[in-house]
Amino acid sequence: DAEITQSPRHKITETGRQVTLACHQTWNHNNMFWYRQDLGHGLRLIHYSYGVQDTNKGEVSDGYSVSRSNTEDLPLTLESAASSQTSVYFCASSGPGGRDGELFFGEGSRLTVL
Amino acid sequence: QKEVEQNSGPLSVPEGAIASLNCTYSDRVSQSFFWYRQYSGKSPELIMSIYSNGDKEDGRFTAQLNKASQYVSLLIRDSQPSDSATYLCAVKSGGSNYKLTFGKGTLLTVNP
Repeated sequence: DAEITQSPRHKITETGRQVTLACHQTWNHNNMFWYRQDLGHGLRLIHYSYGVQDTNKGEVSDGYSVSRSNTEDLPLTLESAASSQTSVYFCASSGPGGRDGELFFGEGSRLTVL
Repeated sequence: QKEVEQNSGPLSVPEGAIASLNCTYSDRVSQSFFWYRQYSGKSPELIMSIYSNGDKEDGRFTAQLNKASQYVSLLIRDSQPSDSATYLCAVKSGGSNYKLTFGKGTLLTVNP
């Protein structure tokens, strides 16, 4: 079955370290998204991509970067982790064949920055 | 900044009652609206979509849309304890290359 997987599922890191969260989908979807979810803020869009070599900033992109070198993967990098980036991160994808407005979410990556 | 507003709750209803969840949005040109359900510790999943003014029913769920008032709602009839979750309202922008803006979600608890 097609799926979307995130790794690691849990990570603890220190302030200032570089962290990369992986996202891999096997639906061959063109659209991929990274959201963060925090209590009191809901899901907020960090970065998104509509295809290979395409990346776009979302509403909370400062301190984050992404790259899209193939259809399946959209890794999210925190260049210098800050305590404010402690959150649960969700990767999602969408594409033809799904219901309109249907994002398929990964299971989430819980990041703690100490 | 396009905004989607929801009451954070918690909303508590007894089993068998109707749960009513509300959402307002700021972007008047929005055309597509969605409700996602998220169980505690899990990822969101799409449960309803609505595009035209009026009601759309799917089993125990009814979505209601009023574009003039920029208002979307979700009714859950005969609420079950398994409906206890956070319900996220989402608004679509863009065409085939689209993105969703989510509200903060409403926590629903259905008491047996």
